[in-house]
Amino acid sequence: DTAVSQTPKYLVTQMGNDKSIKCEQNLGHDTMYWYKQDSKKFLKIMFSYNNKELIINETVPNRFSPKSPDKAHLNLHINSLELGDSAVYFCASSQETGLYNEQFFGPGTRLTVL
Amino acid sequence: AQSVTQLGSHVSVSEGALVLLRCNYSSSVPPYLFWYVQYPNQGLQLLLKYTSAATLVKGINGFEAEFKKSETSFHLTKPSAHMRDAAEYFCAVSDPGNDMRFGAGTRLTVKP
Repeated sequence: DTAVSQTPKYLVTQMGNDKSIKCEQNLGHDTMYWYKQDSKKFLKIMFSYNNKELIINETVPNRFSPKSPDKAHLNLHINSLELGDSAVYFCASSQETGLYNEQFFGPGTRLTVL
Repeated sequence: AQSVTQLGSHVSVSEGALVLLRCNYSSSVPPYLFWYVQYPNQGLQLLLKYTSAATLVKGINGFEAEFKKSETSFHLTKPSAHMRDAAEYFCAVSDPGNDMRFGAGTRLTVKP
């Protein structure tokens, strides 16, 4: 069974479009995250949700909006996509609040904006 | 705020040779330290973690790392490299009250 899953795996779209990436974890974890990995492999945290509440919002444009319908899901919606949004987006989860605990990562979603 | 620095964005070794990937950290309190591996087109997978127990930590796939407080280091080693070890490796640090910070990553290439 997949612990952290993301859909889609690949996403190619035009500038200005709105798209969503879905994430689900079946580990029973309380905290979920979204990371962005750029072309140089640099990994940057975007959001964190603990029990459906946002607890981290790094300096991410407000075109990005996380939505958590329940603690097993954390979706990422992106409005008005820009070329610079092209990256691999990873979802992750951990057992407890905060990032002091081991995180389990999904396989990633490669977003290409044309 | 805590941070990690990985020395060398690219390390190349021959199959069977020693693997040494360097990581130095800064933290105002005793940290938790992690090494993650990312195989091509995959997500990050935990190799090992240091949580203030034994300073020498053994992980999966024959990797280990030693926490050295005096050197603020947490270098990753493996005695004998395999072709399947070729991947991107990330060192990460976290401490209470702060989020986890990842290093810039080190790409390991293994030559036959």
